[in-house]
Amino acid sequence: DQQVKQNSPSLSVQEGRISILNCDYTNSMFDYFLWYKKYPAEGPTFLISISSIKDKNEDGRFTVFLNKSAKHLSLHIVPSQPGDSAVYFCAASAYGNQFYFGTGTSLTVIP
Amino acid sequence: ETGVTQTPRHLVMGMTNKKSLKCEQHLGHNAMYWYKQSAKKPLELMFVYSLEERVENNSVPSRFSPECPNSSHLFLHLHTLQPEDSALYLCASSPSVLGRGITFGSGTRLTVV
Repeated sequence: DQQVKQNSPSLSVQEGRISILNCDYTNSMFDYFLWYKKYPAEGPTFLISISSIKDKNEDGRFTVFLNKSAKHLSLHIVPSQPGDSAVYFCAASAYGNQFYFGTGTSLTVIP
Repeated sequence: ETGVTQTPRHLVMGMTNKKSLKCEQHLGHNAMYWYKQSAKKPLELMFVYSLEERVENNSVPSRFSPECPNSSHLFLHLHTLQPEDSALYLCASSPSVLGRGITFGSGTRLTVV
């Protein structure tokens, strides 16, 4: 049973435009969420996090939005740059227990 | 060296071979993890160690055997694997077993032939 889902396996966006990556979860006990970025042949690197007490967290060009009632998480990248092309994973945990990861969305930013 | 280092980067092994994956972290973290990344599947947690003690084993087959001799080193011993075990194996560490601030290694790409 997949508790974290990323339903879009891939996304293409023009450079300078906004990239929106989506993530849905099923476990209402999740209280901490992460986004990771992964380049080919490298391990995932931490990008941004949000706890369930907030509905938005911003870090430079990256903003994560949390909609607890919809059990939905999204990552906005604006403006998108070619170097943002990577696979993005969302992950969630409940009260410091193990993280559950989505299957990832491959983002391609077209110059 | 900094961060989480995994060796080898690539490994091809036969089903009757025995091999080991190595992970070393230079972050002073107390928790270490093995994850499996198969194509088109979510990242799967395999093992969790906290201060060299295994705290979680997510129903992983016994042909995968972890070893944590100290808080900086983690091994995954492999024997009699199956072709479906071919995947990217990622090591990670975090300050505590709560998992926040988790840092991943680059992974070992394993192919079982």
